[in-house]
Amino acid sequence: QQKVQQSPESLSVPEGGMASLNCTSSDRNFQYFWWYRQHSGEGPKALMSIFSDGDKKEGRFTAHLNKASLHVSLHIRDSQPSDSALYFCAASDLRNNRIFFGDGTQLVVKP
Amino acid sequence: EAAVTQSPRNKVAVTGGKVTLSCNQTNNHNNMYWYRQDTGHGLRLIHYSYGAGSTEKGDIPDGYKASRPSQENFSLILELATPSQTSVYFCASGDLTGQDTQYFGPGTRLLVL
Repeated sequence: QQKVQQSPESLSVPEGGMASLNCTSSDRNFQYFWWYRQHSGEGPKALMSIFSDGDKKEGRFTAHLNKASLHVSLHIRDSQPSDSALYFCAASDLRNNRIFFGDGTQLVVKP
Repeated sequence: EAAVTQSPRNKVAVTGGKVTLSCNQTNNHNNMYWYRQDTGHGLRLIHYSYGAGSTEKGDIPDGYKASRPSQENFSLILELATPSQTSVYFCASGDLTGQDTQYFGPGTRLLVL
């Protein structure tokens, strides 16, 4: 059973627009969440982490976590063509020394 | 920034042949991981390690072996390669606790003919 589900599978937004990515986990023990970003031909790279309920903002990127509903989202304001990439949601808990990844959302930002 | 390197970057192998993928990290991280990435499946964990001498099975270990001879190096071994193992393989490193970020290498693209 997939522990981390992402939606949508793909997303296209115009340059300057808002991109919203969603993630739901099925394990109530998960306490730690990340968003990873992977540009074509490269390895994934951690974009931001969020461990507490509420919003976390880093520049144009805002992550929101609601542990009660096991839902985390990523919002990209003023999207740029360079934001075009595959975005992974990831989650873990202290029981495991591993991270569980979702299948990813492919974001395309059109100039 | 944490540094993880992989070799080779590209590999063509024949069915039934032996393939070794290598990974090196200079971050002194305890944990290392091997993933494969296929379209529609995201990142799937093959094997991981808590430190030198240890290996653990991930979610899809069949057909793969792993070796961690030192803190810095972690290898993935395909003893008898099959076309179904054609994929992109990523190595990652991270620290011990579940709340630590993983740092990925650039990937190895493997084609098994």
